[in-house]
Amino acid sequence: KNEVEQSPQNLTAQEGEFITINCSYSVGISALHWLQQHPGGGIVSLFMLSSGKKKHGRLIATINIQEKHSSLHITASHPRDSAVYICAVRGNTDKLIFGTGTRLQVFP
Amino acid sequence: EAGVAQSPRYKIIEKRQSVAFWCNPISGHATLYWYQQILGQGPKLLIQFQNNGVVDDSQLPKDRFSAERLKGVDSTLKIQPAKLEDSAVYLCASSYGSVETQYFGPGTRLLVL
Repeated sequence: KNEVEQSPQNLTAQEGEFITINCSYSVGISALHWLQQHPGGGIVSLFMLSSGKKKHGRLIATINIQEKHSSLHITASHPRDSAVYICAVRGNTDKLIFGTGTRLQVFP
Repeated sequence: EAGVAQSPRYKIIEKRQSVAFWCNPISGHATLYWYQQILGQGPKLLIQFQNNGVVDDSQLPKDRFSAERLKGVDSTLKIQPAKLEDSAVYLCASSYGSVETQYFGPGTRLLVL
């Protein structure tokens, strides 16, 4: 079993829909990252969380440390949000452990 | 601020050939990472440098992979000889320190035929 599990693996949505991507982990962590990867490979860091909730534009990330679970929400989704969203946790060794990603496609 | 630079962006080689990738991190970033990302998977750390010293290379296949960061700035990752299963995107990332946010380069997409 992977230490970081994401769901769903693939997600399609119509423009304007509210989207939720989930991440569960089984190890102790000091921080959790949400990353965005566009076709072509480039990865952009969206959020780094250790507790609570963060918001940036239409993106919201939450984390529940007790339940070892985080969610990434996208409000009013747009085709340019189409990408792979990766959850990564920083474990006790300071190494990042990555999930396998959620592939999101938003259609106009 | 310039981002992490990588070259080449794409490389196609035959198995048993050698290949090298180059990474120039963000200026001032002491920590540099090389990741391998196989299609459909998350990135896997190959090696982490702190300045010019190796912090973690536990997942680097040392019989064929090598990496160096001689002056603590640029880094090269080499595969010799390449195998079919080395086909992947090789990502370089850098950060101020090992617990800071990592900034990723665009990656080098390698195809081994």
